Amino acid sequence: DTGVSQNPRHKITKRGQNVTFRCDPISEHNRLYWYRQTLGQGPEFLTYFQNEAQLEKSRLLSDRFSAERPKGSFSTLEIQRTEQGDSAMYLCASSWDYNEQFFGPGTRLTVL
Amino acid sequence: QKEVEQNSGPLSVPEGAIASLNCTYSDRGSQSFFWYRQYSGKSPELIMFIYSNGDKEDGRFTAQLNKASQYVSLLIRDSQPSDSATYLCAVKATSGGYQKVTFGIGTKLQVIP
Repeated sequence: DTGVSQNPRHKITKRGQNVTFRCDPISEHNRLYWYRQTLGQGPEFLTYFQNEAQLEKSRLLSDRFSAERPKGSFSTLEIQRTEQGDSAMYLCASSWDYNEQFFGPGTRLTVL
Repeated sequence: QKEVEQNSGPLSVPEGAIASLNCTYSDRGSQSFFWYRQYSGKSPELIMFIYSNGDKEDGRFTAQLNKASQYVSLLIRDSQPSDSATYLCAVKATSGGYQKVTFGIGTKLQVIP
């Protein structure tokens, strides 16, 4: 296990379509985080899991966004009815408890 | 007031000089502080973390924390062109029993050969 992996790396979709991203964390890490980053900004927190439990969800996350981590391993982030404003880099990070987070390569979403 | 503030830069330094990157935060309950480096189009990469007041050194990098002033900095000695990147300050606090990590917008560093 060499780090956090994310798939796909790039996604182009049309407005109104649904998209799903996957994140595989470092295997021994129990916490998994999703962030969104737009150009010129730092990563913006979306949600995080401890094992399979989703413990916190940003108020910025609309009802069109949902995340799961069904067995406490990989996680998926789904965006329904995509909008052009959803275009961003979606980053996943993992950590062991409260320790430092390690990021995956990200999924770049473009909504046309 | 933003929770974590950084000057977006760019900060330009000549090769071999010391680059000083600064970050202030608003939550006095913040516990841990992280510096990430992010190359254009890539994801953030952890450089250093610091929990206690004072300095922490790792190779050419030194993190400095002053909780009383709510200030954390990163010094890069002997700056190299390969250090040119955006440096993100991240601050961790526990709120309502949950861990919260907030990032600044990042400072763009340019090391001029």
